[in-house]
Amino acid sequence: GAGVSQSPSNKVTEKGKDVELRCDPISGHTALYWYRQSLGQGLEFLIYFQGNSAPDKSGLPSDRFSAERTGGSVSTLTIQRTQQEDSAVYLCASSLDEGSPLHFGNGTRLTVT
Amino acid sequence: QKEVEQNSGPLSVPEGAIASLNCTYSDRGSQSFFWYRQYSGKSPELIMSIYSNGDKEDGRFTAQLNKASQYVSLLIRDSQPSDSATYLCAVPILTGGGNKLTFGTGTQLKVEL
Repeated sequence: GAGVSQSPSNKVTEKGKDVELRCDPISGHTALYWYRQSLGQGLEFLIYFQGNSAPDKSGLPSDRFSAERTGGSVSTLTIQRTQQEDSAVYLCASSLDEGSPLHFGNGTRLTVT
Repeated sequence: QKEVEQNSGPLSVPEGAIASLNCTYSDRGSQSFFWYRQYSGKSPELIMSIYSNGDKEDGRFTAQLNKASQYVSLLIRDSQPSDSATYLCAVPILTGGGNKLTFGTGTQLKVEL
């Protein structure tokens, strides 16, 4: 597709379960970001991948959160042992390179019950 | 000092007025600047990019950049109720991992009838 694709669009999980969120960036985009947005709040930066460089993980809130980007393309954000406070919309965005604008996916709405 | 700073608002303007949204940033070396609009429940969408000092106009939107003052603004002329949204300023900030596109917390704009 032409845009950033995220799946699933909605995910309901029980507290304590692990979840995986997927992001397909725009083809050829070297930079990929994950953000979290709770209801009525701003964007919370989680992690940033740029080309083959080591990812900037400075925004990950705990060691329950991890992300990988395989082959410089698809990325997966994994949350282990989910907690209710993890409930939020998780947004993925990609850009052609450093300094280029980000293009956002439609997000995954995660609800932890 | 925050890396990218915006007033959170809400900024209320009457229909037909000019809305002025402001943003300051910390990295004097930043070369590209972006404004995003985010409607409630939606992902941010890019509305303006600016790279050089001065003004850039696109329809009812004008972006203004002053690198010496580390200041970028967005003017919306003839504001409409459909402009009511949160406006996010984004600037690449040099970090250990490269130039990370960093967002301000956003300014909520309300255009009143």
